[in-house]
Amino acid sequence: DQQVKQNSPSLSVQEGRISILNCDYTNSMFDYFLWYKKYPAEGPTFLISISSIKDKNEDGRFTVFLNKSAKHLSLHIVPSQPGDSAVYFCAASGSRGGSNYKLTFGKGTLLTVNP
Amino acid sequence: GAVVSQHPSRVICKSGTSVKIECRSLDFQATTMFWYRQFPKKSLMLMATSNEGSKATYEQGVEKDKFLINHASLTLSTLTVTSAHPEDSSFYICSAVTSGIDEQYFGPGTRLTVT
Repeated sequence: DQQVKQNSPSLSVQEGRISILNCDYTNSMFDYFLWYKKYPAEGPTFLISISSIKDKNEDGRFTVFLNKSAKHLSLHIVPSQPGDSAVYFCAASGSRGGSNYKLTFGKGTLLTVNP
Repeated sequence: GAVVSQHPSRVICKSGTSVKIECRSLDFQATTMFWYRQFPKKSLMLMATSNEGSKATYEQGVEKDKFLINHASLTLSTLTVTSAHPEDSSFYICSAVTSGIDEQYFGPGTRLTVT
């Protein structure tokens, strides 16, 4: 049973436009959410996170929105750049820090930004 | 950001042999390290949580006698795949956390191929 779902395996957008990556979760105990970017044969790189007490967090071109009632979050990248092309993983946790800080990952969405 | 390294990046071994993978935090002390496994086009699956100086905590379905984890110091954790079989071929990734940092920092991963 997948607790974190990324239903779109791939997404293709034009350079300069907005990329919207979606993620749904089922476990109501999750209260911390993260997005990671991953290139082939490399480890994930942290992008942005959001705590359940917020509904939006912004960092430069990246914004994460959280809708707790719908158990849904999304990552917006604007403007999209070709260098953003990678697999994006959504992850969730029930606690931050320490040995209980376990991340549950979605399957990832391959984003391709076309020049 | 914090740097986590893994060694080796790639390893090919014969069925029945054992392989050790190292995970090091280079510029911080990692109180907890996590080991993940990723199959092609699948999400990262947490295998075990490793705390310095204590026994690792394994996730359900992960054989602790097959995947030996040692967290000997605050900067080093090792994963040994014992009596490897072709089905153990996968991408193994570690991550590390420390007090005061809310994100997990991931290593670049190790590609294991068992022939």
